[in-house]
Amino acid sequence: QVTLKESGPALVKPTQTLTLTCTFSGFSLSTSPMRVSWVRQPPGKALEWLARIDWDDDKFYSTSLKTRLTISKDTSKNQVVLTMTNMDPVDTATYYCARTNGYTYYFDYWGQGTLVTVPS
Amino acid sequence: QNVVTQEPSFSVSPGGTVTLTCGLSSGSVSTSYFPSWYQQTPGQAPRTLIYSTNTRSSGVPDRFSGSILGNKAALTITGAQADDDSHYYCVLYMGSGIVLFGGGTKLTVL
Repeated sequence: QVTLKESGPALVKPTQTLTLTCTFSGFSLSTSPMRVSWVRQPPGKALEWLARIDWDDDKFYSTSLKTRLTISKDTSKNQVVLTMTNMDPVDTATYYCARTNGYTYYFDYWGQGTLVTVPS
Repeated sequence: QNVVTQEPSFSVSPGGTVTLTCGLSSGSVSTSYFPSWYQQTPGQAPRTLIYSTNTRSSGVPDRFSGSILGNKAALTITGAQADDDSHYYCVLYMGSGIVLFGGGTKLTVL
């Protein structure tokens, strides 16, 4: 059974760095071709892909946010960590992690999401 | 940068058929973009409906189908039901490891 769960602070001050952790079970991120992405959704707005890390430690970032994002994994802990620097109120969103299995680049399992608020 | 386009809203009568589309601001969508579709209700995580253009995810009713129509990916719901009243998002693989979400379509069943 594949599960993913996001954790991190609910409130982050402007200019601070956000660190989110995705803890998963039911698969190994050291096994080809597993991949884990982060996706966010501001309140009432569309989903936005942020970053992905693959089983072989390849990393990919949203073009518009890549200067602020870092994704990493700890396969021994079954965790993927996303850091986002210089947080702003527009970064207020629900942040999801999601798994991709294979070369068809779709998300087959999703976490429940965690709401992060950046006050103005 | 290319933008993935979706109709902002659509409505369908119960039992009716509706086709939502997913296009590009520049260029045509083909199977090489591995289009996928997700359904999301308020407060919930997205649910995967369709991947690789036309493959239904496990447990998805066969009233949902995917295709390429002209220069866009399409999601067709045949025999719409009340609980299909949701937001629908498409995702396209843009190459170089990048995927993009469309802006989403709010489907109203009434």
